[in-house]
Amino acid sequence: DARVTQTPRHKVTEMGQEVTMRCQPILGHNTVFWYRQTMMQGLELLAYFRNRAPLDDSGMPKDRFSAEMPDATLATLKIQPSEPRDSAVYFCASGLAQSIAKNIQYFGAGTRLSVL
Amino acid sequence: AQKITQTQPGMFVQEKEAVTLDCTYDTSDQSYGLFWYKQPSSGEMIFLIYQGSYDEQNATEGRYSLNFQKARKSANLVISASQLGDSAMYFCAMRELLDQTGANNLFFGTGTRLTVIP
Repeated sequence: DARVTQTPRHKVTEMGQEVTMRCQPILGHNTVFWYRQTMMQGLELLAYFRNRAPLDDSGMPKDRFSAEMPDATLATLKIQPSEPRDSAVYFCASGLAQSIAKNIQYFGAGTRLSVL
Repeated sequence: AQKITQTQPGMFVQEKEAVTLDCTYDTSDQSYGLFWYKQPSSGEMIFLIYQGSYDEQNATEGRYSLNFQKARKSANLVISASQLGDSAMYFCAMRELLDQTGANNLFFGTGTRLTVIP
């Protein structure tokens, strides 16, 4: 049963610390998305990769957030330094972009981040 | 402007009954996609059903069906024979194309919390 795997599931950290969230996309998928979910803003796109190249990270605070795909099986989202307002659930999703047609994004279980 | 509107913050349904969750959308694109996701209390986002703007038939997936009314820009989710396990948040989402390969961002609504009553 193919699925997107995110680690850790939960992270509690102190303000100012570095946080790294990891995502393993579904094998064969060539697009990876990072979303953030908060009560106030709902689900927001942070970054988007296609074939490991970052194509859109306009939703991401550049000064503290960074997203990378070191290889096809790993995507990372880092926050340095973390702030209490970063507390949220961070989702990774992957999909297969082949044509302008049905293109489903499959989500991981999320990383629940709490910054104290 | 809000791209996806879900006007029902919460809904209740009796077990084994059908329920309709409302969704309206706003787009000027001719080609777009509409999705429904389920988020149970465990937090994961589960894909349920997809409707393409050019699909003539309403999408169905098991107990889920999508009542697509293009002229009204609505894409309501119908769950038939509700089960206790259907209690969750339900999000309607619309695909916005990010590039020509079909990769896309999803605009999400604010969700509807469905509670199934035994």
